[in-house]
Amino acid sequence: DADVTQTPRNRITKTGKRIMLECSQTKGHDRMYWYRQDPGLGLRLIYYSFDVKDINKGEISDGYSVSRQAQAKFSLSLESAIPNQTALYFCATGEGGGVDTQYFGPGTRLTVL
Amino acid sequence: KNEVEQSPQNLTAQEGEFITINCSYSVGISALHWLQQHPGGGIVSLFMLSSGKKKHGRLIATINIQEKHSSLHITASHPRDSAVYICAVRFGGSEKLVFGKGTKLTVNP
Repeated sequence: DADVTQTPRNRITKTGKRIMLECSQTKGHDRMYWYRQDPGLGLRLIYYSFDVKDINKGEISDGYSVSRQAQAKFSLSLESAIPNQTALYFCATGEGGGVDTQYFGPGTRLTVL
Repeated sequence: KNEVEQSPQNLTAQEGEFITINCSYSVGISALHWLQQHPGGGIVSLFMLSSGKKKHGRLIATINIQEKHSSLHITASHPRDSAVYICAVRFGGSEKLVFGKGTKLTVNP
């Protein structure tokens, strides 16, 4: 089984709908991240969490919210989806403590019509 | 501004060729990563460097701290190496990674 899983893998929705993307991990890492990837752009950080009670905004948090329900679960919500939120979304985990390596989920391809 | 630049953006090679992908960054860093994104989208970490050189199989990563530059080399390239290679850095004092835009490598048989 994959260490970092994301659901759904693909989603098509309409403008104005609320969408939740879920991420689960079995690596036991405290740190979790949500990124989006757009063609021609690097991965950009949306939100990150260093433990269950810690939530931090990344560089492009507007229009998004997150919930860290447990060490293993980190959800990303789009409160009212808009077409320019069409992108590939990745969840990642990391050990922290000076060990930078991040482990990525398989990605969720979201299309907002 | 903390920036990461990769070159080239696209690279096409014939099987067996030696490949070099470059990454430059703007200010001092704590660590630099090379990642590989497969055509299906999955991203895996290849190397983490803070100095010197690392080797894994046919992949070699080097970093020159003074010049703020890193290279990823692939020896004896193979079509299965076709992927997007991404450089990411953690700038000193930051807990977050900043990613380059990636280099798309295509290796033809």
